[in-house]
Amino acid sequence: GAVVSQHPSRVICKSGTSVKIECRSLDFQATTMFWYRQFPKKSLMLMATSNEGSKATYEQGVEKDKFLINHASLTLSTLTVTSAHPEDSSFYICSAREQREGYNEQFFGPGTRLTVL
Amino acid sequence: GQNIDQPTEMTATEGAIVQINCTYQTSGFNGLFWYQQHAGEAPTFLSYNVLDGLEEKGRFSSFLSRSKGYSYLLLKELQMKDSASYLCAVMDSNYQLIWGAGTKLIIKP
Repeated sequence: GAVVSQHPSRVICKSGTSVKIECRSLDFQATTMFWYRQFPKKSLMLMATSNEGSKATYEQGVEKDKFLINHASLTLSTLTVTSAHPEDSSFYICSAREQREGYNEQFFGPGTRLTVL
Repeated sequence: GQNIDQPTEMTATEGAIVQINCTYQTSGFNGLFWYQQHAGEAPTFLSYNVLDGLEEKGRFSSFLSRSKGYSYLLLKELQMKDSASYLCAVMDSNYQLIWGAGTKLIIKP
């Protein structure tokens, strides 16, 4: 199946700093990538949908100035958590959609665990 | 609104069979997915149903009834490594995935 990589896998940062997370589709082109966050023992929460070459669409309640998303190419999307605070500590997961005729599937990256001290 | 319902937790015995149900109400339907998620890891794809009926893949099978807004994931010959959360997700008319909260499956020896 298609592979999505995410980097870094873990990051610990100080409050007030910014953190960038990269999401890459390794063997397919993804016109759409999704960013999720997951709190412990909770389901995935969609943060934003990222389309290559255009602005991301954010879900209600997600601050676009805090969670900056850039989808500069068909294989790379980045999420930057600006001025991170302890409440931003979470598991961030990206996924990339591979579109085939009559079939849409999302492939997930391995996730990035962010801890803000 | 849109919602996906599945049980919070289930317990089963190693070697047995377990069925995890999922009911959904969404704006449009472009397929239903089941994912497995081990603690601390990203979800991995298990199955995709877009037509009514049963899809079998090894020890795992998934069933869909679009008229009833219902699906189940059937796991046979349970192994300890099957202990995980199982997430049901429906792709709506905008091709967005609507996620259930997940069912935590506990396998006992």
